[in-house]
Amino acid sequence: DVVMTQSPLSLPVTLGQPASISCRSSQSLLHSDGNTYLNWFQQRPGQSPRRLIYKVSQRDSGVPDRFSGSGSGTDFTLKISRVEAEDVGVYYCMQGTLWPLYTFGQGTKLEIK
Amino acid sequence: QLQPQESGPGLVQPSETLSLTCTVSGGSISGTPHYWGWIRQPPGKGLEWIGTIFYTGTTHYNPSLKSRVTLSVDTSKNQFSLKLNSVTAADTAVYYCARLDYGDAMDYWGQGTLVTVSS
Repeated sequence: DVVMTQSPLSLPVTLGQPASISCRSSQSLLHSDGNTYLNWFQQRPGQSPRRLIYKVSQRDSGVPDRFSGSGSGTDFTLKISRVEAEDVGVYYCMQGTLWPLYTFGQGTKLEIK
Repeated sequence: QLQPQESGPGLVQPSETLSLTCTVSGGSISGTPHYWGWIRQPPGKGLEWIGTIFYTGTTHYNPSLKSRVTLSVDTSKNQFSLKLNSVTAADTAVYYCARLDYGDAMDYWGQGTLVTVSS
């Protein structure tokens, strides 16, 4: 079974400052079709999760360009260039390479200092 | 705009069966390459994938829940359903239904429904 490990689990950030979340998988997420199915989700307080990033770095429609994803193999990063108040919430990485088995990370709680 | 919507009882007795339905509006669940699935989130905790179903009835389950889960689909009603038997307090969670885009996972989510297991 693949294990997804996020760090940090809590991330206090000053408004306007950058933020970075790491996600590591216990095995490579490179699929035999050449794609790497690493997704990032945002869950604002009291809301359903929302996909932000798929295939490591592809932003979903409507996602601000201050969000970016990078990485390969087993190491991935979600970066927010300048944190805004609306970015408060919990961020999850999730692998889809082993589809139909999906695995989420533990979540990283982003809060404003 | 595609919109999944969960429905079902908010309270289930221990050892009984939890049953939820997801009704999809704004698009058909059949005849497309997308799967449909269920995800849950215990209060204050993270997300757990439960299972996935295709409109043909093909299913895939989380191995940790496989012995207790059954997914089904009703294309005539544009719905798919979840049954989880022998529930305990540990099954108390917000249950979400979602459209699945293969490895790109959940691109449309329902609003979620809280199910509490308690006598």
